[in-house]
Amino acid sequence: GESVGLHLPTLSVQEGDNSIINCAYSNSASDYFIWYKQESGKGPQFIIDIRSNMDKRQGQRVTVLLNKTVKHLSLQIAATQPGDSAVYFCAETKRQGGKLIFGQGTELSVKP
Amino acid sequence: NAGVTQTPKFQVLKTGQSMTLQCAQDMNHNSMYWYRQDPGMGLRLIYYSASEGTTDKGEVPNGYNVSRLNKREFSLRLESAAPSQTSVYFCASSVPLAGGHEQYFGPGTRLTVT
Repeated sequence: GESVGLHLPTLSVQEGDNSIINCAYSNSASDYFIWYKQESGKGPQFIIDIRSNMDKRQGQRVTVLLNKTVKHLSLQIAATQPGDSAVYFCAETKRQGGKLIFGQGTELSVKP
Repeated sequence: NAGVTQTPKFQVLKTGQSMTLQCAQDMNHNSMYWYRQDPGMGLRLIYYSASEGTTDKGEVPNGYNVSRLNKREFSLRLESAAPSQTSVYFCASSVPLAGGHEQYFGPGTRLTVT
């Protein structure tokens, strides 16, 4: 069936470096993509989203890139901090219904 | 605002027991959702309610029932718990955005079925 998946299950970076978390999706009908951050013992928290008619969207220290040609989504975190350590999930949804399909998740570990 | 609240935070059940997980939101959102999260995996949708008075099955509804009691509250019931239902359960609510939904999650209920 349709699925959203991640290339890397774990990522370890040095504090201050930039982080890139990748995600592959297979449902070309998806209209809306979202990145969530989940800290240990907590529920997922919205980070940033992007619509399918966009290639790039920037937030505070985060940028999401969407490549519809290869069905690839990435989350870039600038100047990674220890507080960024968490599991990051990408999710997709179609225009109607709003049901999210989540990927497996990538665990980001930031070394001081 | 408290956002999305869930009770209980932890629960241990024996196989065959029943229980109801409670969820409430104070953001006046129309849509509410129940997910389960198994170790090392993403969230899978159990049931959702697009608006008060409606409920629909998600990806993994078997063994669960839901009730949208009012706009604020959405409960999840396990009628006869099984070890396969050991998981962390998250409730979420959303406000529709143009073309998609941003969902707000509760802190989760950690359920163990022995």
